[in-house]
Amino acid sequence: GQSLEQPSEVTAVEGAIVQINCTYQTSGFYGLSWYQQHDGGAPTFLSYNALDGLEETGRFSSFLSRSDSYGYLLLQELQMKDSASYFCAVEQAGTALIFGKGTTLSVSS
Amino acid sequence: EAGVTQSPTHLIKTRGQQATLRCSPISGHTSVYWYQQALGLGLQFLLWYDEGEERNRGNFPPRFSGRQFPNYSSELNVNALELEDSALYLCASSRSQGRNTEAFFGQGTRLTVV
Repeated sequence: GQSLEQPSEVTAVEGAIVQINCTYQTSGFYGLSWYQQHDGGAPTFLSYNALDGLEETGRFSSFLSRSDSYGYLLLQELQMKDSASYFCAVEQAGTALIFGKGTTLSVSS
Repeated sequence: EAGVTQSPTHLIKTRGQQATLRCSPISGHTSVYWYQQALGLGLQFLLWYDEGEERNRGNFPPRFSGRQFPNYSSELNVNALELEDSALYLCASSRSQGRNTEAFFGQGTRLTVV
């Protein structure tokens, strides 16, 4: 089967940098995605990594190490609006995206 | 371009009843996914439909079923409702599955079983 592990909660202050880790166990791995979900809202796509290394998109970056079955989402210059839940999800052969349980990020001033 | 739309937004049912949830994907998307989001459990995969066929299902009992129509819209049926079925049910759509297939989610249907 598949399993993903990520911290349940992270807290930080405005302007700080936070890293949300994700470890996974799966077969037929294609890539790792990250989604953001604000309270009461729909999850929205943030990033995708298929190859080892860092992908940068503005204030957000995502990293993947396939050999370690590990990835992380890095959020820089945190803003209050970044308070949300963040989900890692594995993309694999023959099935839909499988999501972790999510990390709730609380940003305070 | 319209996003993924789900109806109804809220649904209240009593234990033992049946619930039907509906989803319209983004135009041009042929894959539809259903997820259950219960408190503290993240998004749990329920069903995946593509081109009218069920492609895969998650670890849920058979009373969770659905279908995809020729226009690619989909419905999720939950029979013999139980209290623990209370959750947010999210539908997502994508182009036919390939690598780096971004899924677009609807706002969900909040199902409450009393």
